[in-house]
Amino acid sequence: EADIYQTPRYLVIGTGKKITLECSQTMGHDKMYWYQQDPGMELHLIHYSYGVNSTEKGDLSSESTVSRIRTEHFPLTLESARPSHTSQYLCASSEYHRDTGELFFGEGSRLTVL
Amino acid sequence: RKEVEQDPGPFNVPEGATVAFNCTYSNSASQSFFWYRQDCRKEPKLLMSVYSSGNEDGRFTAQLNRASQYISLLIRDSKLSDSATYLCVSDNYGQNFVFGPGTRLSVLP
Repeated sequence: EADIYQTPRYLVIGTGKKITLECSQTMGHDKMYWYQQDPGMELHLIHYSYGVNSTEKGDLSSESTVSRIRTEHFPLTLESARPSHTSQYLCASSEYHRDTGELFFGEGSRLTVL
Repeated sequence: RKEVEQDPGPFNVPEGATVAFNCTYSNSASQSFFWYRQDCRKEPKLLMSVYSSGNEDGRFTAQLNRASQYISLLIRDSKLSDSATYLCVSDNYGQNFVFGPGTRLSVLP
């Protein structure tokens, strides 16, 4: 079992609210990622981090922001949620070495913005 | 053009059938490749890594052809439990993981 946890699992909020999706891993992995996935659609990388104080934007433009103050924690924040942000957000982590292929995913946070 | 491309399917096959999925990638600098499995409304999980020499894990065989920038996954003796979406993944030369759009498989009784 992967030791990566996301909260909340499900969230329904109104437009304009600020939200933070939490992601924590206890495996000591340097690299962490946020993916966005709509039902039945492909995964899109929105943010990633190589380690503490490192954050990069992914392939899909996102209005969300991330921070990496501690190795184990990689929260994602939306300052003002809109219905277009409705989606599933998946957090993942991996070891730094590229030959280690395994991404460990959390169970996801399903966000609905009304 | 997408960096990793797959036939989205769906592939509907009877139990016991052999099915093959293909995947192409455009970044010739990619070094590592993987197949992930994603069940409906669940997170993706690693199925197997793909090596140049090919590798096999039980009923599953993965092959990599670097010259053609092509990856394949073969599933023999399909089970109902194999029904899922299969994601082809490249590592974009160690920068991050690039996922293909996935191929849906339904194994029918």
